[in-house]
Amino acid sequence: DIQMTQSPSSVSASVGDRVTITCRASQGISSWLAWYQQKPGKAPKLLIYAASSLQSGVPSRFSGSGSGTDFTLTISSLQPEDFATYYCQQANSFPPTFGQGTKLEIK
Amino acid sequence: EVQLVESGGGLVQPGGSLRLSCAASGFTFSSYWMSWVRQAPGKGLEWVANIKQDGSEKYYVDSVKGRFTISRDNAKNSLYLQMNSLRAEDTAVYYCARGLPGTDYFDYWGQGTLVTVSS
Repeated sequence: DIQMTQSPSSVSASVGDRVTITCRASQGISSWLAWYQQKPGKAPKLLIYAASSLQSGVPSRFSGSGSGTDFTLTISSLQPEDFATYYCQQANSFPPTFGQGTKLEIK
Repeated sequence: EVQLVESGGGLVQPGGSLRLSCAASGFTFSSYWMSWVRQAPGKGLEWVANIKQDGSEKYYVDSVKGRFTISRDNAKNSLYLQMNSLRAEDTAVYYCARGLPGTDYFDYWGQGTLVTVSS
């Protein structure tokens, strides 16, 4: 199985900050990567797919980049509703696998 | 509006069985691959199983093969997960999720149902 490793595991930031989360795959996955946001007690929400495609309805302050093994999720200007846990997921090889998550906390 | 509503979770003893259901609405259920994804308490996400639109193909993560069975009833717009020989490590919130067409991404998720395996 492909292992997905996110860093950092947690990050503290303030409203208005620019934040970047990284995800590394244990082998190349081309651009078969998604990012999800999960708030406590809620289901995950798809933000980005195909490494950089914004899911319908997701604010443009979210962006994704990368290919191969290294990917990033950037939030350009943090809003209060963005504090959550973020997961990457590869869809290149069976089975689909997720990173361990990055918790974004308020500083 | 796309809606996925899971039910059937609960407390079960090790070795027991449980059947989860997911009722879908707001989209043409028979046109989508569907999956179950689980999340152990305080842990990350783990894909469990998926099923093709017509039910002809089914895939499982190794840890549940031979114990879990995914199925669907397109006439009832429903997805199921039959879980047998349950273990403590199967304790999790189980989400049903719709596949983004042509991919193994998940574009809509239900609210989840909690399965607790404990004596």
